[in-house]
Amino acid sequence: DAGVTQSPTHLIKTRGQHVTLRCSPISGHKSVSWYQQVLGQGPQFIFQYYEKEERGRGNFPDRFSARQFPNYSSELNVNALLLGDSALYLCASSLALAGGPGTQYFGPGTRLLVL
Amino acid sequence: GDSVTQMEGPVTLSEEAFLTINCTYTATGYPSLFWYVQYPGEGLQLLLKATKADDKGSNKGFEATYRKETTSFHLEKGSVQVSDSAVYFCALSGDTGFQKLVFGTGTRLLVSP
Repeated sequence: DAGVTQSPTHLIKTRGQHVTLRCSPISGHKSVSWYQQVLGQGPQFIFQYYEKEERGRGNFPDRFSARQFPNYSSELNVNALLLGDSALYLCASSLALAGGPGTQYFGPGTRLLVL
Repeated sequence: GDSVTQMEGPVTLSEEAFLTINCTYTATGYPSLFWYVQYPGEGLQLLLKATKADDKGSNKGFEATYRKETTSFHLEKGSVQVSDSAVYFCALSGDTGFQKLVFGTGTRLLVSP
């Protein structure tokens, strides 16, 4: 089975622009979570979606939004990009119900550079 | 809130040396604990996990034991290889009602031949 896939792998944008990142979970996984990893730090939780509903949100501004589609794939959208949004964006999928101790499996990430 | 503290890196070892990377956590309730590894230019790979006190997670020669009394989950390996060079992240999943991992800042391991 294929693992978690993300697209694009790399992206360069300028300040003020908008970006959309995409994620396909492992087949059969209904939960998708998004994380931001700034260089030299651990990943920070942004969102979790389960069964197409937002189940949890981290401490990120409203410029960050996401959605999950009927096939459980997901998009992360970031508006009005700032230099500080430059990071590796990781998607993780899980079998578990929201709130369960399920193991999350990560994709390779999308590296976003904002100039 | 929940948090994870890892030892500062880099940790520099010679091949076949013994490895310990310290991890302590703060959380309410009974979190699940994880170690993830990140190789250069790649995403995170699950290395091992433990879901309750005194559980030992193990994989590829790495081990970690969930110690509730000391709120620790230290990573160990008896004999490291050059291919183990990577960044190691300790993480917990707490009682938030949703899937959220809280990560430490990561520890870089460099193994020389």
